Amino acid sequence: NAGVMQNPRHLVRRRGQEARLRCSPMKGHSHVYWYRQLPEEGLKFMVYLQKENIIDESGMPKERFSAEFPKEGPSILRIQQVVRGDSAAYFCASSPTATLTEAFFGQGTRLTVV
Amino acid sequence: AQKVTQAQTEISVVEKEDVTLDCVYETRDTTYYLFWYKQPPSGELVFLIRRNSFDEQNEISGRYSWNFQKSTSSFNFTITASQVVDSAVYFCALRGSGNTPLVFGKGTRLSVIA
Repeated sequence: NAGVMQNPRHLVRRRGQEARLRCSPMKGHSHVYWYRQLPEEGLKFMVYLQKENIIDESGMPKERFSAEFPKEGPSILRIQQVVRGDSAAYFCASSPTATLTEAFFGQGTRLTVV
Repeated sequence: AQKVTQAQTEISVVEKEDVTLDCVYETRDTTYYLFWYKQPPSGELVFLIRRNSFDEQNEISGRYSWNFQKSTSSFNFTITASQVVDSAVYFCALRGSGNTPLVFGKGTRLSVIA
């Protein structure tokens, strides 16, 4: 039973390009959370999704960032027109229920904007 | 609002010493969950423990132990006889009741020197 899978592990983008980060939850998990970790900082919540629905996006920047979790396939975090300040590690966690009592994280995607 | 404070930014100990990492939390919820995660130099987040607010019993797992005290809103983590492989950043996190996301502290970087 594979854990939470994130890809790519490392992503380099030039300023102005788009970044797509993928998260495949654990089998049987229909709840996904995205977090961002800036250098030397803790993790900050971005968005919580259930299959085909955004439940809480209170931590998402208002512009350039979007997330989806389609009926089929992984959850996608999309960052348009990346800037240097977007450089960070992005983690997702999945849970079988909405209560997130079991919070297992993927290995993260390290985005570097050059 | 939920808040987690890890006052110790960095700790350095010599191998075989015991070390305690402090975590103080704030929440108005009566039901909540506390977590500890380890982030080794490779960058992934490793789940260590979850504790719910109704269970104040201390827990021991090998060289790791956790002291949960509701009276002081603390959930401290002790590593006994530290080893070089314990070198990592350790995060304390809090989740309140309902569909609320995890709130992380800023982490404590532990360096164990041989």
